[in-house]
Amino acid sequence: GAVVSQHPSRVICKSGTSVKIECRSLDFQATTMFWYRQFPKQSLMLMATSNEGSKATYEQGVEKDKFLINHASLTLSTLTVTSAHPEDSSFYICSASTLAGGPTPYEQYFGPGTRLTVT
Amino acid sequence: EDKVVQSPLSLVVHEGDTVTLNCSYEVTNFRSLLWYKQEKKAPTFLFMLTSSGIEKKSGRLSSILDKKELFSILNITATQTGDSAVYLCAVSSLVQGAQKLVFGQGTRLTINP
Repeated sequence: GAVVSQHPSRVICKSGTSVKIECRSLDFQATTMFWYRQFPKQSLMLMATSNEGSKATYEQGVEKDKFLINHASLTLSTLTVTSAHPEDSSFYICSASTLAGGPTPYEQYFGPGTRLTVT
Repeated sequence: EDKVVQSPLSLVVHEGDTVTLNCSYEVTNFRSLLWYKQEKKAPTFLFMLTSSGIEKKSGRLSSILDKKELFSILNITATQTGDSAVYLCAVSSLVQGAQKLVFGQGTRLTINP
């Protein structure tokens, strides 16, 4: 149980284009999903927290107009990097948690990550 | 501001050695402390600690939390080359009903044969 998938696992795009990353909870309903970014040899930095059906809460310094987050259902959240630039190249990881019920309330389950390279 | 600090940042040892990784934290609304192992992809869960003084153990790995000193350690005994990874410490707090994780910088552990 508690499987989270991400798609794509790896993407290369040209500067100025937009890229969408999907995060799905496969066997539980995720009331909350989190998006992290990890630059090489650095730790995970939380970008935003999204609750199903409401607007995402962004961490300080993260541009909400550049990183669009949609959490339209209890099993799917998407992160769209708009007008991507080389400095957006990073490893993007989502996690999902549930407020109540299984698998374990409040704990975060991580997806496998998406490596974005902007050329 | 919530903060998690790990030490050392990097550690190189020989196979068979025992290592101790450190994590200190300053967090409001502390709920739990978690250890993860990260190889080339997303972190994989190792331990969650909520109470002081109770050791959690899984094979050659063990961890303990000191909530008074705001500190945790992760021990790995009889290390193997497969233990080479980045070990991340994260502290969980509840913020407006949602769990929030703050990660430390990680300790990059290299086990040489």
